[in-house]
Amino acid sequence: DIQMTQSPSSLSASVGDRVTITCQASQDISNDLNWYQQKPGKAPKLLISDVSNLETGVPSRFSGSGSGTHFTFTISSLQPADIATYYCQQYDDLPLTFGGGTKVEIK
Amino acid sequence: QLQLQESGPRLVKSSETLSLTCNVSGVSISNSRYYWGWIRQAPGKGLEWIGTIYYSGSIYYNPSLKGRVTISKQTSKNEFSLRLTSVTAADRAVYFCVRALGATLGGSWFDPWGQGTLVIVSS
Repeated sequence: DIQMTQSPSSLSASVGDRVTITCQASQDISNDLNWYQQKPGKAPKLLISDVSNLETGVPSRFSGSGSGTHFTFTISSLQPADIATYYCQQYDDLPLTFGGGTKVEIK
Repeated sequence: QLQLQESGPRLVKSSETLSLTCNVSGVSISNSRYYWGWIRQAPGKGLEWIGTIYYSGSIYYNPSLKGRVTISKQTSKNEFSLRLTSVTAADRAVYFCVRALGATLGGSWFDPWGQGTLVIVSS
């Protein structure tokens, strides 16, 4: 199985801060990576597919980059509505696997 | 608008079988563009892909479930189902049904998700 390692597991930042989350794959997954946002008590929501393709309706302050084994998810200016846990997910190989999640809180 | 809704018993006895159904509205599960699947999340934990089924009947499972899982579809009802046998406390989780899109086997990304249903395993 491809292991996806996210860091940090949690972070606290101020409104307006730039927030960066990393996701490391245990092997080369090319560009086969997605990002999800899960708010408390809710189902995850797809934010970004194929590393950097922002889904329709997702604010432009969210972005993704990377390739191979190292990927980055960025919130350019943290907003209160962004409080959530974020997950990366690879689809390069079965089984499809997720990172452990990064919980984002407001300082 | 596409919606997915899970249904089924919320309480299952240890060693018995968990059965859930996902009703899909807004698109046919026979659409060749999509996979349909299940993902679970133990309380306070991360996400685990269980498996996905394609309109053709091809099914892909997570080997971690060691043959205990069956996903099937009921095209006439526009539903698909999950069966997980020999459940233990470790199977206590929120179970989400999802649509999977993308060109790779089993699907590439999941959108949308059902609201999820918590299944508790009792002893």
